[in-house]
Amino acid sequence: DTGVSQNPRHKITKRGQNVTFRCDPISEHNRLYWYRQTLGQGPEFLTYFQNEAQLEKSRLLSDRFSAERPKGSFSTLEIQRTEQGDSAMYLCASSLATGPVAYEQYFGPGTRLTVT
Amino acid sequence: QKEVEQDPGPLSVPEGAIVSLNCTYSNSAFQYFMWYRQYSRKGPELLMYTYSSGNKEDGRFTAQVDKSSKYISLFIRDSQPSDSATYLCAIYQGGKLIFGQGTELSVKP
Repeated sequence: DTGVSQNPRHKITKRGQNVTFRCDPISEHNRLYWYRQTLGQGPEFLTYFQNEAQLEKSRLLSDRFSAERPKGSFSTLEIQRTEQGDSAMYLCASSLATGPVAYEQYFGPGTRLTVT
Repeated sequence: QKEVEQDPGPLSVPEGAIVSLNCTYSNSAFQYFMWYRQYSRKGPELLMYTYSSGNKEDGRFTAQVDKSSKYISLFIRDSQPSDSATYLCAIYQGGKLIFGQGTELSVKP
């Protein structure tokens, strides 16, 4: 079990550029979540998938944000036309969908985005 | 009013002290209460969770829920310098987690 992995770990981009992050969940997990965390705050929910279906999106996820999980395995989160306010840690988590451990979400190390 | 409120600290204690970390929540319908630990520049790590009211113990850690007052607590006994981290409470709601702000804990040798 290699845990949840995220790439890249750090990304510095200029305002207005597009960026894409990747998350690889724990292999047997069918739910995958994206959260955003700013300095001194707890993570905030963005969206989650069960297999390839996107089940919920937060209103924090503006039109510039899009997430996909095309084959129900890895997921990508794209931010278009980045703004300085997008600077944050983007966290991915995964879990099983059913059973007594369905409440246990396991997080990756995060991708730290800096928009200059 | 935020759904989950947590005192951000920072909290500094000497090694061996008992630490009490607390959160309050607003919705009495919440049933699952989680505690995560986050080291600097790392992802959150699940410590434990409880269902409804009562206590749950795991080694030096005890999680407690008081639904009548909408109050959740994490106690750390015999605290160690390696416990220095940010502790996040979270509520499970409909598939997603709602986190508190996190409390930064420092355990001094």
